[in-house]
Amino acid sequence: AQKVTQAQTEISVVEKEDVTLDCVYETRDTTYYLFWYKQPPSGELVFLIRRNSFDEQNEISGRYSWNFQKSTSSFNFTITASQVVDSAVYFCALSEARPNQAGTALIFGKGTTLSVSS
Amino acid sequence: DAGVTQSPTHLIKTRGQHVTLRCSPISGHKSVSWYQQVLGQGPQFIFQYYEKEERGRGNFPDRFSARQFPNYSSELNVNALLLGDSALYLCASSWGQGNTEAFFGQGTRLTVV
Repeated sequence: AQKVTQAQTEISVVEKEDVTLDCVYETRDTTYYLFWYKQPPSGELVFLIRRNSFDEQNEISGRYSWNFQKSTSSFNFTITASQVVDSAVYFCALSEARPNQAGTALIFGKGTTLSVSS
Repeated sequence: DAGVTQSPTHLIKTRGQHVTLRCSPISGHKSVSWYQQVLGQGPQFIFQYYEKEERGRGNFPDRFSARQFPNYSSELNVNALLLGDSALYLCASSWGQGNTEAFFGQGTRLTVV
């Protein structure tokens, strides 16, 4: 069965601190996709990144970076120099590969609430 | 371009009633998925539709049903509402080929009293 675990329920940091959000996943598939979403208080899930299981290169986008390690089934997310606007709930998600079918059925973790204070 | 739009934004219903939630995907997107998010939890997959056909179903009772229309918009219907159906219902649209990223609407907050 597929499962996503985000062990950190809540994290509080002060502005400009770096923070890493952990994500551990379980799947029997050899091909799969991993995602991170941000959910601000408004409720809308904002897409941050998608990574397929064959691409283990780390990725950096501005202050955001992602570390994918297949050996430990982890896909961690780091925010560098955090800002108050980063305060939100962050979800890690997994989907099986369905190349001949459409859409994405995502399996989400329970989320990590990040609070950044000034 | 408009994002994913859902209506209504908030809804209060009584136990036993029926509810219909609506979703319009991003223009050009052919796939719509529905998720239920109860307070403090991650979203849970309910349904996925592509080209008006059901392509996936999560572990939800038959009281939950959905459909997709020729213009790719979608409705989620829930019958015989229970208190436990109170949640944020999220709609996601994607272009449709493979595991492309899903874009979510702001959701419908359903409260069952």
